[in-house]
Amino acid sequence: GAGVSQSPRYKVAKRGQDVALRCDPISGHVSLFWYQQALGQGPEFLTYFQNEAQLDKSGLPSDRFFAERPEGSVSTLKIQRTQQEDSAVYLCASSRGGLANTGELFFGEGSRLTVL
Amino acid sequence: GNSVTQMEGPVTLSEEAFLTINCTYTATGYPSLFWYVQYPGEGLQLLLKATKADDKGSNKGFEATYRKETTSFHLEKGSVQVSDSAVYFCALSDRNSGYALNFGKGTSLLVTP
Repeated sequence: GAGVSQSPRYKVAKRGQDVALRCDPISGHVSLFWYQQALGQGPEFLTYFQNEAQLDKSGLPSDRFFAERPEGSVSTLKIQRTQQEDSAVYLCASSRGGLANTGELFFGEGSRLTVL
Repeated sequence: GNSVTQMEGPVTLSEEAFLTINCTYTATGYPSLFWYVQYPGEGLQLLLKATKADDKGSNKGFEATYRKETTSFHLEKGSVQVSDSAVYFCALSDRNSGYALNFGKGTSLLVTP
């Protein structure tokens, strides 16, 4: 596609439910990032993939968060047993190059998760 | 660790006014610096960047100069337009952070006619 596509755009979950958020990066982009953006805050790094390899997951807040990119393109962020503090916008971004690339990151519009 | 501090908003300006949004950073290495913009209802977009000291990034009339001596990357525009109303994020990346972007909290700008 022309840009980074994320789905669903909006998700309401009851506390304790599992959710899965999908990211379709720009075709051919090597790098893929997930960020979490709480209301009124800047995006916070969650995890980074170079192709199918998850090279950095230091930002994942707990072991309830899991991300994968099995074929090096589409990525899924899964949150198990959601809690209210997980409510945020989850942003996906991709870029053409790999590590040490200072090129542009292209962001999706985000998936807004609300946990009741 | 790395961090970015930018001025609190919201900032409200009249059309054609001069804009400055302050951004300072802390980094252990030699970061690249960025300004991203988020227009209402849209995703984050790169506005401009600078990869080394004294570089000036510019785009759409906006400018920012990488100042190592003051660890700053202030965003400026000489004459803002209503269409510049958005949230602006200062960010950095470097080797120590695995090149992941480290964002400030964002500054909301509203330009009135």
